[in-house]
Amino acid sequence: DAKTTQPNSMESNEEEPVHLPCNHSTISGTDYIHWYRQLPSQGPEYVIHGLTSNVNNRMASLAIAEDRKSSTLILHRATLRDAAVYYCILRGQGAQKLVFGQGTRLTINP
Amino acid sequence: DTGVSQDPRHKITKRGQNVTFRCDPISEHNRLYWYRQTLGQGPEFLTYFQNEAQLEKSRLLSDRFSAERPKGSFSTLEIQRTEQGDSAMYLCASSLAPLFRGSGRVGNEQFFGPGTRLTVL
Repeated sequence: DAKTTQPNSMESNEEEPVHLPCNHSTISGTDYIHWYRQLPSQGPEYVIHGLTSNVNNRMASLAIAEDRKSSTLILHRATLRDAAVYYCILRGQGAQKLVFGQGTRLTINP
Repeated sequence: DTGVSQDPRHKITKRGQNVTFRCDPISEHNRLYWYRQTLGQGPEFLTYFQNEAQLEKSRLLSDRFSAERPKGSFSTLEIQRTEQGDSAMYLCASSLAPLFRGSGRVGNEQFFGPGTRLTVL
């Protein structure tokens, strides 16, 4: 399984944008980049995924580098409810399992 | 609430006892997954089913672990002769295979339940 590298923790303020980086230098051409988050005492929750182009949904945006060796999850306006552990995951085409790393623990200050 | 339910939410047992957990996925989802999460770590994949067929098992799933999905709906995960190292959160997730997009949900995402926290004394 291709590996991802994320900072252990990040901190931001409420109502400000948050950029969560992920490095995946060994990504293969068919690997999708997935982001999940896990709020305290809950199971993980899907956030967004992409292959090559930047993606937007109601929760976040995903910016993918042109060489696909890194990506950034963008929360446009953080709220206290966004405090969670964010996982960047590479998922091969047709692969079913998600391989979680340590993730980034995001703290949001009021 | 994602629509995936797990029972029980908490289980305390003594070493050597057998335990069984249940997962009820979102009703139209044909894929079901089990993961295990220990404190401070990300979830680790254990196994997954498509309908009633168990298609992949992790090496983490020792002989003491067995999972079933007899009618392609709910699933059970049994741990026999529990050990203290089995203490963890057991997470279930479900998803829709791409051929069945009728529910309107994205077929690629996994929806997780709240988990069953197992403590082995």
